[in-house]
Amino acid sequence: DQQVKQNSPSLSVQEGRISILNCDYTNSMFDYFLWYKKYPAEGPTFLISISSIKDKNEDGRFTVFLNKSAKHLSLHIVPSQPGDSAVYFCAASAISGGSNYKLTFGKGTLLTVNP
Amino acid sequence: SAVISQKPSRDICQRGTSLTIQCQVDSQVTMMFWYRQQPGQSLTLIATANQGSEATYESGFVIDKFPISRPNLTFSTLTVSNMSPEDSSIYLCSVTKGQLYGYTFGSGTRLTVV
Repeated sequence: DQQVKQNSPSLSVQEGRISILNCDYTNSMFDYFLWYKKYPAEGPTFLISISSIKDKNEDGRFTVFLNKSAKHLSLHIVPSQPGDSAVYFCAASAISGGSNYKLTFGKGTLLTVNP
Repeated sequence: SAVISQKPSRDICQRGTSLTIQCQVDSQVTMMFWYRQQPGQSLTLIATANQGSEATYESGFVIDKFPISRPNLTFSTLTVSNMSPEDSSIYLCSVTKGQLYGYTFGSGTRLTVV
């Protein structure tokens, strides 16, 4: 039973356009959400996070939106750059539920930004 | 954020042998975790490494197969025991000083069992 789902295994966009990566979750105890970027042969790199008390968090070109009622979050990258090409993982944790800080990951979305 | 040194970065091992992976952090951290990423799959939590006590394992992972040590607040090891080709994966160490401080990952150990 996958508690964090990224239903699009891949996404291709043109340089300069917006990239929108989606993530759905089923566990209503999740209260903290993160996005990671991963290049081949490297560990995941933290991008941006959002707490369940917010519905939007912005950091430069990256914005994460959280819709708690729909149990859905999305990562927007504007403008997209070729260097953004990587696998993007959505992750969630349930600190208030005593999850011991552990993260549950989605399967990832491969983003390709074409010059 | 914390800086992690994970070793080895990769290895090719014979089936039936064991490999110990080290995770060294440049500062004290609250929590240390070990993940596995099988080919084409997501990151799956193996266990939480607890300082001075037995690790807390997730469903499907057992101490005999994946013994873990954490002697202090900056160091942990994961051993993959009696390896089979199905253990071929990327193994990742992750740390956090608390949820709002973020989670940092090591660069991973790419293990191939032949």
